[in-house]
Amino acid sequence: AQSVTQLGSHVSVSEGALVLLRCNYSSSVPPYLFWYVQYPNQGLQLLLKYTTGATLVKGINGFEAEFKKSETSFHLTKPSAHMSDAAEYFCAVPSNTGKLIFGQGTTLQVKP
Amino acid sequence: GAGVSQTPSNKVTEKGKYVELRCDPISGHTALYWYRQSLGQGPEFLIYFQGTGAADDSGLPNDRFFAVRPEGSVSTLKIQRTERGDSAVYLCASSLAGRYTDTQYFGPGTRLTVL
Repeated sequence: AQSVTQLGSHVSVSEGALVLLRCNYSSSVPPYLFWYVQYPNQGLQLLLKYTTGATLVKGINGFEAEFKKSETSFHLTKPSAHMSDAAEYFCAVPSNTGKLIFGQGTTLQVKP
Repeated sequence: GAGVSQTPSNKVTEKGKYVELRCDPISGHTALYWYRQSLGQGPEFLIYFQGTGAADDSGLPNDRFFAVRPEGSVSTLKIQRTERGDSAVYLCASSLAGRYTDTQYFGPGTRLTVL
């Protein structure tokens, strides 16, 4: 069965600092992986997804994630945080029926 | 184009009442999903429709919860005899064909509060 673990429910960084949000997955089949972002009072928005091919995936707003099979990880990074990046971030893996299995989420706080 | 819409945005009801939550997916999307998000948690799957039929309802917590999609577009999630524990944000998502590589597009959610 698939599962997702996000280490760190809250991450705080200074504006301009590196953002690193951790996601580890468990999957019995080659995984596809998604990162979604949820801004306050808004729906979830896709940041990026890994399906096949290049293991370094670039998404919107300067975010990227690297699929590392040996580490069963799909960590999300951004070189320089912006105030507008403050939001909740969810890593997810789909089941074979397409339903998404989400991690618990990580709240990113960006300090001026 | 228009995204996924959900109505109402907020619903306050009393314990024991019946509620209906509506989802209008992106036009042409055959797959529709309902999730529930409790405070501080990630969304949890409830039910998945492929066209008019429920392809996977394994996430419905009990028989008080029911969902329909009679014409393969709009879906309604129905909750009978609501309980305080049903309070959550109910999210709807749609995707083009329901393949597990397809992006799911989410609506803004309905915040349900059961007093």
